[in-house]
Amino acid sequence: DTAVSQTPKYLVTQMGNDKSIKCEQNLGHDTMYWYKQDSKKFLKIMFSYNNKELIINETVPNRFSPKSPDKAHLNLHINSLELGDSAVYFCASSPGLMRNQETQYFGPGTRLLVL
Amino acid sequence: KQEVTQIPAALSVPEGENLVLNCSFTDSAIYNLQWFRQDPGKGLTSLLLIQSSQREQTSGRLNASLDKSSGRSTLYIAASQPGDSATYLCAVRADGDYQLIWGAGTKLIIKP
Repeated sequence: DTAVSQTPKYLVTQMGNDKSIKCEQNLGHDTMYWYKQDSKKFLKIMFSYNNKELIINETVPNRFSPKSPDKAHLNLHINSLELGDSAVYFCASSPGLMRNQETQYFGPGTRLLVL
Repeated sequence: KQEVTQIPAALSVPEGENLVLNCSFTDSAIYNLQWFRQDPGKGLTSLLLIQSSQREQTSGRLNASLDKSSGRSTLYIAASQPGDSATYLCAVRADGDYQLIWGAGTKLIIKP
């Protein structure tokens, strides 16, 4: 069984559209994350939720809105897509935030291409 | 502001060699340091996590060391195999923070 899954795996869309990426983990973890990996392969944290509470909200355009309906899911909605949003988006989860709970488990990534 | 650097950006070695990947960070007030590998088109896999109070961690042919005072960590891979080919990333969590600060990675190619 897949531990951290993301859908879709590939997403090609036009500028200006609104799209969502879904993430689910079946590990029973309390903490989930969204990362963006750009063309230079740098990973940057976007958001993190712990027990459905937003704890990390980095400098990200407000066109990006995370939603955590329960501890096992963290979805990412993007409004008015721009060319610069093209990247690979990774979801991850960890047991928690405290010592010995921090190891993160990553999903396979969603490759977003905005035309 | 914490910055994480990995040198070299790419490394190619023959199969069977022992090798060392380097990671440096600018602020020694860290909570932990983690090493991950990323295979092309795939997500990241956690390899080793070193707490700030630890000097090293080992898993199979991998050994990671941490020297906080000098702001350095190394990932030692013994008896390299073609299956070790991947990009290796280092990430640091600062004291009092939840997020990881990432290096750009070292792309490792093991030639059969």
